Formats: sequence, structure tokens, C-alpha cells
Amino acid sequence: SYVLTQPPSVSVAPGETVRVTCGGIKIVTYHVHWYQQKPGQAPVLVIYDDNDRPSGIPERFSGSNSGDTATLTIDRVEAGDEADYYCQVGISTGNPRNHFFGPGTKVTVL
Amino acid sequence: QVQLVQSGGEVRKPGASVKVSCKASGYTFTAYYMHWVRQAPGQGLEWMGWINPHSGDTNYAQQFQGRVTMTRDTSVSTVYMELNSLRSDDTAVYYCARAKYDSSDSWGEGTLITVSS
Repeated sequence: SYVLTQPPSVSVAPGETVRVTCGGIKIVTYHVHWYQQKPGQAPVLVIYDDNDRPSGIPERFSGSNSGDTATLTIDRVEAGDEADYYCQVGISTGNPRNHFFGPGTKVTVL
Repeated sequence: QVQLVQSGGEVRKPGASVKVSCKASGYTFTAYYMHWVRQAPGQGLEWMGWINPHSGDTNYAQQFQGRVTMTRDTSVSTVYMELNSLRSDDTAVYYCARAKYDSSDSWGEGTLITVSS
């Protein structure tokens, strides 16, 4: 098993920058992916492979990964960015690849 | 465009089984693994396992081994997830999600499974 940690919540004013962290032992050795989930909706992939954006995701969303912490950064935050954000990694430990999600961070736009 | 259409919500009694379907369209079905992920009410995402639609190979998360079975029918581009010996804490929304290497780039709308006596 692999444990990922995230802060339960963060708050940010519109137009500011918010950073959501995802902690894990030597997480830098894995690709980290980030999902946005709004109430009543399915998750949406916003960052994959640490810092790549799927088509249709604004450039305001970016990611980084170093040491024991990966970070999702949202610049120029908008009201529509208010959501839960989950990090996820895939790990092979001699067996077929297993996947793990962080507990999620609620981003509130003030 | 990629679409994953899941079966409708179900209510089951404890100890029963449930089978959820996920019909894929808009891409080559056998070219992408499919994950199943669930989310209990007010809780986070929990990975259940994946299936390779091409070979039928599966890999289940340890906590579900022995209780979950993932299958596919390539003739109708559909994957299935069956969960047995249901308990009240299996009440959740179950999602299928297309794998893009280690991430999941398209998700179904979710299927609410309620386990209640």
C-alpha cells in the first residue's frame, strides 16, 4: 500500500493563486495525476504525469513533483474552480500496477 | 468523442450481489484499460481495480480481492463490475474510467449502489 496525504481544505480569493499539496514517500519517483470533482459530478482529469494538461484544461492549472511532495497550482483562481481535488499515483511493486488516491482537498473560493 | 455510459442505480440487501455495466464508445474499446473507482457518500475516491479489455486480464485492489469480478464483452464494447457479499459500507457511487497510462482521462457518470435491509 502507498499512503498519500492532502490538506482537507484550502481557501483562496478570486484572482489569487492556490497550491494543493500531495505528500507521499519519495513521490517524485512516480507520476502524479490530479482530478477536479464538483458536487454531483464525475471527476475530471486536470493534470497528468506531474505537469501535463489534457486538452481543454486552462493553462492556469499546473503541477510539479519533487521529493516527498507533489503540488497542483491554480493561478488566477475563478469561482468555477471551487471543487474537490484529488491526487493519484500508479505503482508497480513486482505485481500488476496498483493505483492510489489521496483523500482529497476542498478548494473554497472566497 | 469518448463516452462511457453506465447502468442505472440499484438497491440491494446485505449479502447480495450487484453487477454494474459501462458501455464505451468513441474509441477503440480494446486499446485502453478500464478502471473502476468508487466513492462513498461524502467520502473520497477509492480505486477498485482495472481490466484489460483486449485480454480480459484483471488486477484488483487488495481490499476487494475475493469479492469483486471485472469482465468485458468486446462484442458490445462493455465492461462489467460485479461486487458480491454486499455490506452497508459498500453503498457508494461506482465509476468506470478509461485509463490513459496511469491516469484516467474519461469517466462514466457513475452508478449509485445502495445497500440496505
